[in-house]
Amino acid sequence: DQQVKQNSPSLSVQEGRISILNCDYTNSMFDYFLWYKKYPAEGPTFLISISSIKDKNEDGRFTVFLNKSAKHLSLHIVPSQPGDSAVYFCAARVTGAGSYQLTFGKGTKLSVIP
Amino acid sequence: NAGVTQTPKFRVLKTGQSMTLLCAQDMNHEYMYWYRQDPGMGLRLIHYSVGEGTTAKGEVPDGYNVSRLKKQNFLLGLESAAPSQTSVYFCASSYSLSGRGQETQYFGPGTRLLVL
Repeated sequence: DQQVKQNSPSLSVQEGRISILNCDYTNSMFDYFLWYKKYPAEGPTFLISISSIKDKNEDGRFTVFLNKSAKHLSLHIVPSQPGDSAVYFCAARVTGAGSYQLTFGKGTKLSVIP
Repeated sequence: NAGVTQTPKFRVLKTGQSMTLLCAQDMNHEYMYWYRQDPGMGLRLIHYSVGEGTTAKGEVPDGYNVSRLKKQNFLLGLESAAPSQTSVYFCASSYSLSGRGQETQYFGPGTRLLVL
C-alpha cells in the first residue's frame, strides 16, 4: 500500500508561470513532510519541508502548503524557471523516538518550457 | 567538504556474483541509509544505521547486507546478485534526531548497478 502518492508522473509549465506539484498521503501519523529535487544522474537534494503544525512554508520561489484534513500537500514554484526542470519527490515521516525513515512518493517530472 | 560520496558510480555484474557498494560521508552524521530507485518508483529504503556498529532493516532488505564499522562509512553488500537487483542505489546521511528535530537527509550521487 503506497502511503505517499504523487499521482501526476509529469507536468509541463511555461517559463515564468506557476508550477504546482501535488502529493497525497494516507498515514495520519505522518507529521513532517519534505520535497526533494532530483536531476538526472544525480542524487536527490533537499528543497523545502513543512511540519504538521504549520500549513505553509515559504523559501524564495518555493512554497509548500499542507492541508492536514485532506492529507494533501502541494509545492508551488513561482516563477518557474528552466533550471527547475527535474523530478520532484514528496516524502513524509513520523517524528518520534525510533523513527528515522522517510517514505517517498514516486516522483513528478517537471518540465519548464522556455 | 565532499558531502556524501558513493563508490563505484557504475557496475555490471553477472547473476550470482557478489559486490560491495561503499558510501562515505564527511559531515559527522549519525544516521546513514541505503535506498534503491527503480523506474517509475520512489526511493525505497533497504537498510539504515543509527550509529557506528548498528544497522537495521528497511522496507526492502532481502538480498542485501550492510555494515557500519566506522561512523563515516556505510557498506551495502550483495552476496549473490540477481537481475531483480538491477537498480540505482542511493546512500544518504542525516543528523541525529533530537525531540522534534527536522531531519534532512543528504544524498550521494548514486550507483547504477546492472545485473545480467
